[in-house]
Amino acid sequence: KNEVEQSPQNLTAQEGEFITINCSYSVGISALHWLQQHPGGGIVSLFMLSSGKKKHGRLIATINIQEKHSSLHITASHPRDSAVYICAVRAGNEKLTFGTGTRLTIIP
Amino acid sequence: SQTIHQWPATLVQPVGSPLSLECTVEGTSNPNLYWYRQAAGRGLQLLFYSVGIGQISSEVPQNLSASRPQDRQFILSSKKLLLSDSGFYLCAWSKGANYGYTFGSGTRLTVV
Repeated sequence: KNEVEQSPQNLTAQEGEFITINCSYSVGISALHWLQQHPGGGIVSLFMLSSGKKKHGRLIATINIQEKHSSLHITASHPRDSAVYICAVRAGNEKLTFGTGTRLTIIP
Repeated sequence: SQTIHQWPATLVQPVGSPLSLECTVEGTSNPNLYWYRQAAGRGLQLLFYSVGIGQISSEVPQNLSASRPQDRQFILSSKKLLLSDSGFYLCAWSKGANYGYTFGSGTRLTVV
C-alpha cells in the first residue's frame, strides 16, 4: 500500500464546475505539498500545508492532520486548469513521498 | 528572484553510454538540492539530495550518482546507462524542511 493515496486517478469535468481532489496518507507528517504538473512535464508548487486551509486565487487546499487527509479544490474550473495534480508529504526529513497524481481534464 | 535551470530538456542515449544532467540555481545561497525521477506511469521518486557542497545523500541504490561541485550546481551522472534509467528527471531546490520546493523544467531521458 502506498503511503500517499490520491483520488480520483482521473477526473473529467465541464468548464465552471467545482473540482475536488483528495489525498490520504498513512504516516505522521510535518508538511503536505500540492503540486501541478503540466503536459510538458514541468512542475509548479501550489501549496505547502501543515494545518488548516490556504487559498490562492481559485485554488483552495485544506488539511486535517487528525484524519491524515487533504483536499485540493478548484472553483470555477477552466480548461487551463487541465494538468496532473500531485500530493506529496514530508515526514520530518528531507524526503518527500509522492502520490501518483490525479489527471484533471476540463472540457470547454 | 530565484530561478532554477535544468538541461537538456530531452535526451536520447544508447545503452552503455554515459550521462550528465546539470542543474543550477540562481538568486539564493546554500539551497537544498534534489534530483527526482518519474518513471512512466509512476509517481516521483527522490534519487539524491544535497544540503551543501560535496554533501550527497542517496535514497535508492541505482546506476546513477550525483555531485555538487559548487553551491548552486547539482549534477546527475551515470557511467553506463541502462534501459531502466529512462524516465523524466527533475531537479528541485528548497530553503529547507519548512519551505516549499521549486522545480526545474525537467529532462526526458530515453535510453535506447
